[in-house]
Amino acid sequence: AQSVTQLDSQVPVFEEAPVELRCNYSSSVSVYLFWYVQYPNQGLQLLLKYLSGSTLVKGINGFEAEFNKSQTSFHLRKPSVHISDTAEYFCAVSEGTNAGKSTFGDGTTLTVKP
Amino acid sequence: GAVVSQHPSWVICKSGTSVKIECRSLDFQATTMFWYRQFPKQSLMLMATSNEGSKATYEQGVEKDKFLINHASLTLSTLTVTSAHPEDSSFYICSARVGSSEAFFGQGTRLTVV
Repeated sequence: AQSVTQLDSQVPVFEEAPVELRCNYSSSVSVYLFWYVQYPNQGLQLLLKYLSGSTLVKGINGFEAEFNKSQTSFHLRKPSVHISDTAEYFCAVSEGTNAGKSTFGDGTTLTVKP
Repeated sequence: GAVVSQHPSWVICKSGTSVKIECRSLDFQATTMFWYRQFPKQSLMLMATSNEGSKATYEQGVEKDKFLINHASLTLSTLTVTSAHPEDSSFYICSARVGSSEAFFGQGTRLTVV
């Protein structure tokens, strides 16, 4: 069985500051990792994904994440946030043997203050 | 890119009635779709895996007689909430598997039972 832990439930940050949202996972098999963003009353938008290859993954809106297999982590980073980045962020994992069937973390609320 | 559409986006129904939610893959065929449920300010919980032409596989604790899933074609899966009650009020999100590594999400359906 797989699990995902998002280490911070809320992250307040000032505009133009850097941010890191932390995600750890556990799984007994190879995994695919994802970060999604959700705005109020909307579905999920894929920010980035790690399937294989380079451990540094770049996504949309200036976000990037690094897959660290030894630490079983997939932290999301952005060097300079905007007010519009305020949203809920979910880390998710799916196992290579059952792609698409995802386990989600509890989410991190990112609040960007002016 | 792959587009998944849910209909309706929101629905209000009376307690005791049934409501059907559709999940369509618009530009690809999906043999496998997934249904998730999200309570306010909580994460997504997988309810079931929907396979075209066969019975859905439900996660532990999900009442299959209450949440009927039909995947009659390669582009459409439906979730019917039968005899809905206020506690069934939630945000329901579907996803459709693309290729062998990931799934794309619909925009979600907000169900309110009054």
